[in-house]
Amino acid sequence: DQQVKQNSPSLSVQEGRISILNCDYTNSMFDYFLWYKKYPAEGPTFLISISSIKDKNEDGRFTVFLNKSAKHLSLHIVPSQPGDSAVYFCAASGGNSWGKLQFGAGTQVVVTP
Amino acid sequence: EPEVTQTPSHQVTQMGQEVILRCVPISNHLYFYWYRQILGQKVEFLVSFYNNEISEKSEIFDDQFSVERPDGSNFTLKIRSTKLEDSAMYFCASSGGQAYGYTFGSGTRLTVV
Repeated sequence: DQQVKQNSPSLSVQEGRISILNCDYTNSMFDYFLWYKKYPAEGPTFLISISSIKDKNEDGRFTVFLNKSAKHLSLHIVPSQPGDSAVYFCAASGGNSWGKLQFGAGTQVVVTP
Repeated sequence: EPEVTQTPSHQVTQMGQEVILRCVPISNHLYFYWYRQILGQKVEFLVSFYNNEISEKSEIFDDQFSVERPDGSNFTLKIRSTKLEDSAMYFCASSGGQAYGYTFGSGTRLTVV
């Protein structure tokens, strides 16, 4: 049941450059999307979210873009910093099951000096 | 910043034994969740809890699992007779509502031997 897909298991980016993480979903009932960051041995940490009524949400260095027609969202991190090295999860929920998050498999981001 | 607290951080148990994983959600949150992540796999939804009852559960959450909010502050997950395949990181989360996102605890690593 892969309703949320992150097709890139890893991403390497230079410090100061842009990191772009992608996520696709299949369930048209999803109306709320979130990005989480996770370090080893810690729980997911909320980064940014977007509801389906918007196509962009920005918070500091993080911007999430939503393309509903393509069922695609992306997270941009600008500029990337060494502390951004972590696993990033895309998650989605919707309809009456807004509390049930469906997670993608995650993308390991490594920011190099 | 308010946080979700989980105890213990690591529990080792013998197959067939009962375990109780404990969580203290953020105090003014009303929605509570358990998720788990088997090593190398996605974070999976187990159960959501609101107004002292289960609001939704996944197919993973069978009769071996139960949740309880015994005293208005703690939120527990009980596994009655653990199996080897229950070995995973278990994350508790709480939320004040969809617009407020979800805050995850740092997890309990359960190892069944």
